[in-house]
Amino acid sequence: GAGVSQSPRYKVAKRGQDVALRCDPISGHVSLFWYQQALGQGPEFLTYFQNEAQLDKSGLPSDRFFAERPEGSVSTLKIQRTQQEDSAVYLCASSWHRDRGQKNIQYFGAGTRLSVL
Amino acid sequence: RKEVEQDPGPFNVPEGATVAFNCTYSNSASQSFFWYRQDCRKEPKLLMSVYSSGNEDGRFTAQLNRASQYISLLIRDSKLSDSATYLCVVSALNSGGSNYKLTFGKGTLLTVNP
Repeated sequence: GAGVSQSPRYKVAKRGQDVALRCDPISGHVSLFWYQQALGQGPEFLTYFQNEAQLDKSGLPSDRFFAERPEGSVSTLKIQRTQQEDSAVYLCASSWHRDRGQKNIQYFGAGTRLSVL
Repeated sequence: RKEVEQDPGPFNVPEGATVAFNCTYSNSASQSFFWYRQDCRKEPKLLMSVYSSGNEDGRFTAQLNRASQYISLLIRDSKLSDSATYLCVVSALNSGGSNYKLTFGKGTLLTVNP
């Protein structure tokens, strides 16, 4: 069965370039999450969608970061004018239930490794 | 102070050893608790949820102490394939009454040696 799919797997960008990272969640999953994982750290929450609605974007580090999920399935995380500190692995996760406590299991994609030179 | 703190590691143990991971969390509103494992350059995968009564899954035992805000994971008879980073994860109710945002610890690297 298909899991969470992310593309590209690797992205090298020059400082100042815009990048777009794609996430295909597990089919039918209502909730979609983006996380940022810096080297040697645990993932950190960026933003949360329930269907097409972005309900929480409190973790986005700056207004250069923008996420969308226009039809409630595929999501795109866009980073404008990339900086070196944006270098990290960007993980997407999806879950079935809106929020059901212990049943709110999030399944992660393999991530996009972004390197900004 | 970070919201979720784990043993810094790394842990290097021989096959067959028992190893324990400790984790504390600072948000008393935390409702859900998990251990995830992450292999090198791979995505985090759920190892097990952690329940107040404690729970066991084969060689893995998880404990939760809400009063102390402490979570543990015990691995018995460790295998080479257990080598990975173990992430302690909590989620808390937010002001809107939702419980979805996972907060991860930094992770503890375990290497099981032959």
